Amino acid sequence: SAVISQKPSRDICQRGTSLTIQCQVDSQVTMMFWYRQQPGQSLTLIATANQGSEATYESGFVIDKFPISRPNLTFSTLTVSNMSPEDSSIYLCSVVRQGDTEAFFGQGTRLTVV
Amino acid sequence: DQQVKQNSPSLSVQEGRISILNCDYTNSMFDYFLWYKKYPAEGPTFLISISSIKDKNEDGRFTVFLNKSAKHLSLHIVPSQPGDSAVYFCAARPFSGAGSYQLTFGKGTKLSVIP
Repeated sequence: SAVISQKPSRDICQRGTSLTIQCQVDSQVTMMFWYRQQPGQSLTLIATANQGSEATYESGFVIDKFPISRPNLTFSTLTVSNMSPEDSSIYLCSVVRQGDTEAFFGQGTRLTVV
Repeated sequence: DQQVKQNSPSLSVQEGRISILNCDYTNSMFDYFLWYKKYPAEGPTFLISISSIKDKNEDGRFTVFLNKSAKHLSLHIVPSQPGDSAVYFCAARPFSGAGSYQLTFGKGTKLSVIP
């Protein structure tokens, strides 16, 4: 399986601030995704991180709120902007390697907004 | 509208017995299904998958059954062990084409295996 390093593992942030989450993979991957898991809910796809171009966002998620970068094949960042308590969730990086049919996940970032 | 449903939020099973976790889906475009296991403070770990051309896939103690006509799948764990205690997520995606790697997840079932 791919080794995925996600930082930070957890954070407590003040409302109105922004947090950038990093995802580093140990090998080149075909696709990178960002998911969110709100308390008691399923994992929901935020966006597909595209290398060198704008991310592809799912319905209900916008670039101004969740800007994403992917400068190369092994690294991506997700920023949660202008945070409110409703953004308190676990944010997960996910990758798919060439030839794989399953996705691998990072350990997640547990975000609490106060 | 939830396209992948896990109707049992929790399940308790005695060690050594069979655990059966169920999952239903509504989207006919889904034809590849995956189960993930998640421990607290960790990301989901891939467990087993099945494509719609099969009705059963087995890997050691884990077997996934797919009933495509009923849009239902189940994960069987035999025998259950205390280390299997975790939250299990059912996920689905189209096998190919646009969006074929984006997963739709259920809410998860928390399995507790009692020693």
